[in-house]
Amino acid sequence: KQEVTQIPAALSVPEGENLVLNCSFTDSAIYNLQWFRQDPGKGLTSLLLIQSSQREQTSGRLNASLDKSSGRSTLYIAASQPGDSATYLCAVPFSGGYNKLIFGAGTRLAVHP
Amino acid sequence: GAVVSQHPSWVICKSGTSVKIECRSLDFQATTMFWYRQFPKQSLMLMATSNEGSKATYEQGVEKDKFLINHASLTLSTLTVTSAHPEDSSFYICSARDSGHHNEKLFFGSGTQLSVL
Repeated sequence: KQEVTQIPAALSVPEGENLVLNCSFTDSAIYNLQWFRQDPGKGLTSLLLIQSSQREQTSGRLNASLDKSSGRSTLYIAASQPGDSATYLCAVPFSGGYNKLIFGAGTRLAVHP
Repeated sequence: GAVVSQHPSWVICKSGTSVKIECRSLDFQATTMFWYRQFPKQSLMLMATSNEGSKATYEQGVEKDKFLINHASLTLSTLTVTSAHPEDSSFYICSARDSGHHNEKLFFGSGTQLSVL
């Protein structure tokens, strides 16, 4: 049974720091991996999707890497800003498809001025 | 990008009443939509898969008679929480994929916060 774990559970940093959020999964036979952002009481915004054949994806100040063999992904946030404060979730599909997702519990990030 | 609209954003109801939540894909068609539930400080958990024109499929431990799902068109799925109780208070969120494109990205609604008194 696939399990997704995120470390740390919470993070508070001053503005400008570079951050690394970690995600691990137990079954390496994944189709892809997605990183999402969730603001309090709000829906999810997809940040990056990494295919199983890819090693990393970049979007602006965000970079996500994927190491399938070790069951790990990292989300790197460069030059953090207060507007980055949110919960970051990683998710992998249920085995056999890519529509139904298994989520980690998330990392709650607070960036203070 | 594709937009998924979910309504209402929040609802407060008395115990024993039923609550309907709507999930609409605004600019694409979705033959399949997904309903998730999130308890405070916990992860999102898949509840069920909504299939257009057929019965929904439920994950283990989710009561199908309590959480009624209807997917009558390619752009609308509804989740009805029947005879709601305080333990059903949670954040419910739907997601969908554009059936017309080979795109693995899933788009999520803004969620519904349900509070049952």
